[in-house]
Amino acid sequence: EDKVVQSPLSLVVHEGDTVTLNCSYEVTNFRSLLWYKQEKKAPTFLFMLTSSGIEKKSGRLSSILDKKELFSILNITATQTGDSAVYLCAVALETSGTYKYIFGTGTRLKVLA
Amino acid sequence: DTAVSQTPKYLVTQMGNDKSIKCEQNLGHDTMYWYKQDSKKFLKIMFSYNNKELIINETVPNRFSPKSPDKAHLNLHINSLELGDSAVYFCASSQEDGTADEAFFGQGTRLTVV
Repeated sequence: EDKVVQSPLSLVVHEGDTVTLNCSYEVTNFRSLLWYKQEKKAPTFLFMLTSSGIEKKSGRLSSILDKKELFSILNITATQTGDSAVYLCAVALETSGTYKYIFGTGTRLKVLA
Repeated sequence: DTAVSQTPKYLVTQMGNDKSIKCEQNLGHDTMYWYKQDSKKFLKIMFSYNNKELIINETVPNRFSPKSPDKAHLNLHINSLELGDSAVYFCASSQEDGTADEAFFGQGTRLTVV
């Protein structure tokens, strides 16, 4: 069965700290790995990773994929209270000519002022 | 302009009722999805449609019936609602043309069955 596992499930840090969120997967027909941030409503897209070892960066956020060890990490440096959210990892699988997204359980991050 | 829009945003109803949630996307995507998110924020795929054709049905009870009148719309009808159906339902769309893989999500419909 395809599965995506995230750790930790929740995390509380102080502003300025650096955090690393983990995502491991066991799937068939891997296409890509995606990170989303979910605050109160819809998940919003952060990164898409398809190749191993290539870091994607956006401001204080960065992410990298290891397709050999089947995991990805999402780093957030100099955290701010606005980073408080649930971070979702998803794997896109190719199935029947289209995609299927399998989500992990999410990591709930709380950043304290 | 909202890319993926769902209505209603909130739905409170009694057990046994039938209700529908509508979803529309203006992104020109070929594939649309319904996801159910439980209280622990776990997003689980329910259905996927590609160009109005059902592609994925993830062992969802047959009280749930999706309908896609055209590729821009995917509605979800739920019969005989049960307490366990209470959740947030997200519609999403994606385009698998090799340029980008990400799915775009609607704002969610919070369904509460009492």
